[in-house]
Formats: sequence, structure tokens, C-alpha cells
Amino acid sequence: KQEVTQIPAALSVPEGENLVLNCSFTDSAIYNLQWFRQDPGKGLTSLLLIQSSQREQTSGRLNASLDKSSGRSTLYIAASQPGDSATYLCAVMILTGGGNKLTFGTGTQLKVEL
Amino acid sequence: DGGITQSPKYLFRKEGQNVTLSCEQNLNHDAMYWYRQDPGQGLRLIYYSQIVNDFQKGDIAEGYSVSREKKESFPLTVTSAQKNPTAFYLCASNISPQGLGGYTFGSGTRLTVV
Repeated sequence: KQEVTQIPAALSVPEGENLVLNCSFTDSAIYNLQWFRQDPGKGLTSLLLIQSSQREQTSGRLNASLDKSSGRSTLYIAASQPGDSATYLCAVMILTGGGNKLTFGTGTQLKVEL
Repeated sequence: DGGITQSPKYLFRKEGQNVTLSCEQNLNHDAMYWYRQDPGQGLRLIYYSQIVNDFQKGDIAEGYSVSREKKESFPLTVTSAQKNPTAFYLCASNISPQGLGGYTFGSGTRLTVV
């Protein structure tokens, strides 16, 4: 059974810091990995999608890397801003015979302070 | 703008009552999903549908029912058989029937039992 872990569960940083959020998964036979952002009481917003054949994806100040063999992904946020405060979730897709399955981590709650 | 619309945003259910959560998408996506989110837990899959008139149970389908009569719509009914329905419910879609693309989420419905 695929398990996805995100550490730390919560993180507080001053504005302007570069930071790294971690995601690890137990089954390395993934098809893709997706990072999401969730604001309190809201739905999920997709940030980056990395296919299993890719090493990283970039969008603006965000960079996500994937190391399938070690079962890890990192989300790098450059020059953090208060507007980046949210919960960040990673989710991995594995292919199964009876319907492909997306497994979510429990998230890292980020607070960027002025 | 294309997206997923969930309604209502807040819903209150009395003991023994069935309630239906609405999910509509105008993205022309084939696959649609219902997830449940509880504090401290990752998102858990309730039901999913890869094509119209077809759907499959997810990990926690007991006490829930769905229909997929139109491509755009995937309503979720929470029945009286669901013993602990208080949660945040999220609908999602994927352009790929197999769920291989990126996922798009709605803004969620918060259901509370009163």
C-alpha cells in the first residue's frame, strides 16, 4: 500500500526566506506526482505536475524535484511571501489494474510572517 | 472560465437524513472524483467515474452513492447509513479517463451533522 509522508507538518518562516517542503512515498513505481496548495476552507489548487520520467518542474518561484528511486520529492519556494501561507499537499499516482490511484500526503502547513 | 463548481458551500444534515452534494464541471473532462477530507488525514477517495453512466467505489464508499448521467455532473448523496458524515467534501476531475493527467479540484462543501 502506498504511503505518502510530508515533513514537517507545520513550518513558520520570515518573509523572504527560501524554503523546502518534503514529500516521501513508499512505492517508487509511481506514474506522476502532483503538488497542490490549499487555503483554509478552500479547495485544492494545482501547482506542479511531474511525470515519472522527469526530474523537475518549475513555475515562477516554485520548483519541484522528483527522485523516484529514493521515493522523494521536494517543493522549493524562493523568496517566500505572506501570500504563500497555505497548506501544501503532495499526491502520487500509481497505476493499478482496477483503476489508477492517487494517494495524498497529510500536508505541510506553511506560515510566512512579515 | 473553465472549472469545477461545487454547491452548496455549507450543508447541514439532521440525523437520518439523506443529502446531495452537487459537482458540475465545464472542462470537458472525462473522469470525476469525490474525496473526503478530515483534519489530520489525507484526502480519501469515496467514488470515481471514468465515463458517463459508469462509476466505481473508492476506499470509503460505504454510506455514499453517486450517479453520472451527464459528463458534466457527478452528484454525491450522503445517506443515513454514513455514521460519521461531518467532513469537508471535494470534487475533482481529470481530462484522462484513467486519471493520468493533472487533477482539478472544486472549492469544496463542508457538511455538518446537527
